[in-house]
Amino acid sequence: KQEVTQIPAALSVPEGENLVLNCSFTDSAIYNLQWFRQDPGKGLTSLLLIQSSQREQTSGRLNASLDKSSGRSTLYIAASQPGDSATYLCAVTPVHNQGGKLIFGQGTELSVKP
Amino acid sequence: GAVVSQHPSRVICKSGTSVKIECRSLDFQATTMFWYRQFPKQSLMLMATSNEGSKATYEQGVEKDKFLINHASLTLSTLTVTSAHPEDSSFYICSALQRGGGDTQYFGPGTRLTVL
Repeated sequence: KQEVTQIPAALSVPEGENLVLNCSFTDSAIYNLQWFRQDPGKGLTSLLLIQSSQREQTSGRLNASLDKSSGRSTLYIAASQPGDSATYLCAVTPVHNQGGKLIFGQGTELSVKP
Repeated sequence: GAVVSQHPSRVICKSGTSVKIECRSLDFQATTMFWYRQFPKQSLMLMATSNEGSKATYEQGVEKDKFLINHASLTLSTLTVTSAHPEDSSFYICSALQRGGGDTQYFGPGTRLTVL
């Protein structure tokens, strides 16, 4: 059974710092991995999607890497801003469920202090 | 970009009543929609997968008679929580896969259900 774990559960940093969020998954048979952002009481916004054949994706100050063989992904946020404060979730699509089923980690709650 | 709406955004009901939550894809057709449940400070748990014109597929442990899902059109799926109880209080989120749009799921803003 696929399990997704995110470390740390919560993180507080001063504005301007670069930071890394970690995601690990137990079964390397994935179709893709996605990083999402969730603001309190809101739905999810997709940040980056990495296909299983890719190693990384970049969007602005965000960079996500994927090491499928070791079951790890990282989300790097450069020059953090207070507006980055949110919960960040990673999710994988198992190979055997390409109908789009996502398995989520517990999330990392990020707080960026001005 | 693709937009998914949910209605209502918040609902409070008495124990024993039924509540219907709508999920709509506003500017695209969604062959598949998903319903998730999220408890405070926890992650999203998939409840069921809804395909237009067919019966929903429920995840293990989810009671299909309690959580009725209807996907009657390519832009609308509904989740009805029947005979709601306080333990059903949660944040319900839907998502939609765009027809021919690849792998990206577009998420709705969620519905906060409180059962008294």
